[in-house]
Amino acid sequence: DTGVSQDPRHKITKRGQNVTFRCDPISEHNRLYWYRQTLGQGPEFLTYFQNEAQLEKSRLLSDRFSAERPKGSFSTLEIQRTEQGDSAMYLCASSPTSEGGGYTFGSGTRLTVV
Amino acid sequence: GENVEQHPSTLSVQEGDSAVIKCTYSDSASNYFPWYKQELGKRPQLIIDIRSNVGEKKDQRIAVTLNKTAKHFSLHITETQPEDSAVYFCAASNEVSGGYNKLIFGAGTRLAVHP
Repeated sequence: DTGVSQDPRHKITKRGQNVTFRCDPISEHNRLYWYRQTLGQGPEFLTYFQNEAQLEKSRLLSDRFSAERPKGSFSTLEIQRTEQGDSAMYLCASSPTSEGGGYTFGSGTRLTVV
Repeated sequence: GENVEQHPSTLSVQEGDSAVIKCTYSDSASNYFPWYKQELGKRPQLIIDIRSNVGEKKDQRIAVTLNKTAKHFSLHITETQPEDSAVYFCAASNEVSGGYNKLIFGAGTRLAVHP
């Protein structure tokens, strides 16, 4: 386990379809975060978990987005009825409990809605 | 709400010169300030971070300074090299006993180092 893994790396979908992304954090990290990044912008916070509990969800996140971390290990992010504006890079990160660890980001899933 | 402002948005320097990127944050509870380097199409990579109990931290050619009173923190890169060319993001978070809360990112600085 050398880092945060995300799957798939790329996803092209038609408008109106549902998509699901997966994130596998570093195994000893208890917190897991989802961010969205569009071209030329900084990552934007979506939601995060401590173990299986979802601690915060961005007010900017519409009801079409849902995230789960059922066993406190991997997480999924689902987007229902995708829109062209959902096209972005979706980044996952994880962090440990103790000071000194910081966040580690995955390589992201690039979503293109056509 | 929580906000991090970052300046400049683009920075062009000659190889060997220094580069400085500045950020300000709004949330007084923020106590953890990382800096990330992101190359095109790649993940953000942590290059240095600082916590609110120190004012400065250095790692080889990279240093970060923090002014809690003014809510400012800055990244300093000395003796820049072409491979330093990338987009740099500052961020702020609140570290509590259970771990880190969400990161709030600045908009990024595109650094170009010319040979």
